[in-house]
Amino acid sequence: EVQLVESGGGLVQPGRSLRLSCAASGFTFDDYGIHWVRQAPGKGLEWVSGISWDSGSIGYADSVKGRFTISRDNAKNSLYLQMNSLRAEDTAFYYCAKGGGPMVSHRFDYWGQGTLVTVSS
Amino acid sequence: EIVLTQSPGTLSLSPGERATLSCRASQSVSSSYLAWYQQKPGQAPRLFLYGASSRATGIPDRFSGSGSGTDFTLTISRLEPEDFAVYYCQQYGSSPLTFGGGTKVEIK
Repeated sequence: EVQLVESGGGLVQPGRSLRLSCAASGFTFDDYGIHWVRQAPGKGLEWVSGISWDSGSIGYADSVKGRFTISRDNAKNSLYLQMNSLRAEDTAFYYCAKGGGPMVSHRFDYWGQGTLVTVSS
Repeated sequence: EIVLTQSPGTLSLSPGERATLSCRASQSVSSSYLAWYQQKPGQAPRLFLYGASSRATGIPDRFSGSGSGTDFTLTISRLEPEDFAVYYCQQYGSSPLTFGGGTKVEIK
């Protein structure tokens, strides 16, 4: 059974940093691309970033480019999102989502339950 | 960036009725890399359709998808009680990957 478990969310002040993690199991992690998707409370879905199986291809939404960094550790079956210079508009549930193939351009066939990031003073 | 516009914003229907949801792209979606997700309150989204018309694992055949280029449709032939939810379309053919704003299917 595919499982994706996010962690690292919480309350953080504007301008500070936070690192999210996603622990994956139930599939061959290094065969697939994987993504972060966020959803502000009561709002729609926004793709944040995605990374290919070998970290050779990475993409970011314009809203986070230059502030967020995605990475993965295939030995640990884990995905990360380093979030710097956080803003109030980054407040959202952050979901880890498994891609349907090795590259970034794939559908998201499994999702974690999300972790809430709240940016507020 | 490909902008996806979903309509209507809300669809009020009764169980047993047919639902037709639209997703229009600002430019052509390459290779029909268009997916549909269902989301219920307090839950993560779930993949329902991909490649515009292929059903994901475990999705009943009352759900169907069609379209190409810039116009795509999700059809639910006969609504069951568990189908009332929010549906999002997504294009994954070009970066940045983008989602539509969602269509809420509510009980009339």
